[in-house]
Amino acid sequence: GAVVSQHPSWVICKSGTSVKIECRSLDFQATTMFWYRQFPKQSLMLMATSNEGSKATYEQGVEKDKFLINHASLTLSTLTVTSAHPEDSSFYICSARVGAGVSDEQFFGPGTRLTVL
Amino acid sequence: DQQVKQNSPSLSVQEGRISILNCDYTNSMFDYFLWYKKYPAEGPTFLISISSIKDKNEDGRFTVFLNKSAKHLSLHIVPSQPGDSAVYFCAAMYRGADGLTFGKGTHLIIQP
Repeated sequence: GAVVSQHPSWVICKSGTSVKIECRSLDFQATTMFWYRQFPKQSLMLMATSNEGSKATYEQGVEKDKFLINHASLTLSTLTVTSAHPEDSSFYICSARVGAGVSDEQFFGPGTRLTVL
Repeated sequence: DQQVKQNSPSLSVQEGRISILNCDYTNSMFDYFLWYKKYPAEGPTFLISISSIKDKNEDGRFTVFLNKSAKHLSLHIVPSQPGDSAVYFCAAMYRGADGLTFGKGTHLIIQP
């Protein structure tokens, strides 16, 4: 099946620094990629929807200036957490969708564990 | 305000028996539902889905039932196997929205 990778798988950074997380679809082109965040014992929460070549659409309550999303190609989307703080520590996971239909399958990456000290 | 609820954080089932995982939702706009399976340190993998125009969908050992009037769906796994031990997420979506709304997940443990 389709494979989505994320890099890095885990990262520890100091408060105030920026961290970039990459999401790649390895064997297919993804017109749409999604970024989710999961806090301990909570559900995955959609942060933003990223369409190749256009600006990301952010969910309510997600700061677009803090979580910068770039979807420069059909196989790569990046999430940059700017000026990270301890409350940003979370599990970030991306998914990629092949088609344009809302019921088209999403393939998930393995996730990135971010810890901000 | 959680729109998709999985009220059982964990479930233990004996190998060979039926596993039933439940999910409730509050948003009546949802018209497509999915179940994902997740192992530790891996991303969720798609298991089975159901459209709101159906009340049942079956794929091998997995069957999903949808009760729209009760806003409830369930995943049945029969017979349960050791490899089924994982966290199962219920997710929902509706036309006009791209992303999925997830429940908190249920940790299924299959005991030998």
